[in-house]
Amino acid sequence: GAVVSQHPSRVICKSGTSVKIECRSLDFQATTMFWYRQFPKKSLMLMATSNEGSKATYEQGVEKDKFLINHASLTLSTLTVTSAHPEDSSFYICSATEGGADTEAFFGQGTRLTVV
Amino acid sequence: GENVEQHPSTLSVQEGDSAVIKCTYSDSASNYFPWYKQELGKRPQLIIDIRSNVGEKKDQRIAVTLNKTAKHFSLHITETQPEDSAVYFCAASNGKGGGNKLTFGTGTQLKVEL
Repeated sequence: GAVVSQHPSRVICKSGTSVKIECRSLDFQATTMFWYRQFPKKSLMLMATSNEGSKATYEQGVEKDKFLINHASLTLSTLTVTSAHPEDSSFYICSATEGGADTEAFFGQGTRLTVV
Repeated sequence: GENVEQHPSTLSVQEGDSAVIKCTYSDSASNYFPWYKQELGKRPQLIIDIRSNVGEKKDQRIAVTLNKTAKHFSLHITETQPEDSAVYFCAASNGKGGGNKLTFGTGTQLKVEL
């Protein structure tokens, strides 16, 4: 199947700093990628839809100024957590599909963010 | 928007027994229903999916059934093995907004005991 690579897999940062997470589709082009957040022992909650060449679409309750998404190319989307606080600590994971809406979504390996 | 409910939240079975996980969805426009297996700290892995034009799909020990009228779908794992132990998530998508925007269920922690 297709491969989605996410980097870094783990990051620890200080409160008030910003962290950038990258999501790459390695062997296919993805006009749309998705960013999810997962708390321990909880489900994946969609944060935003990342659209290549246009603004991301954020889910209700997600602060767009805090979670900056950039989808500059057909193979790369980035999520920047700005002015991170301990409550932003979580598992962030992206997904992308090769084809249409009813095709398999491939997930990145996830990023464990810890804000201290 | 779409709401997906999943039951049970935990499930313990003896090795060799069957396991059934059930999900319901709210959006009648949803047309794609994947099931994912996630091990601790790892990415979700697709184990089976079904589209709305099909009522049942089977892949070796895994099967999924879909009842569009009742808006529910179920995962069936037969002859369970210890390596089946993981968290399983159902999801639904209505194909809107581009790509494959999934709404996930709350997850089921499956434990297969020896």
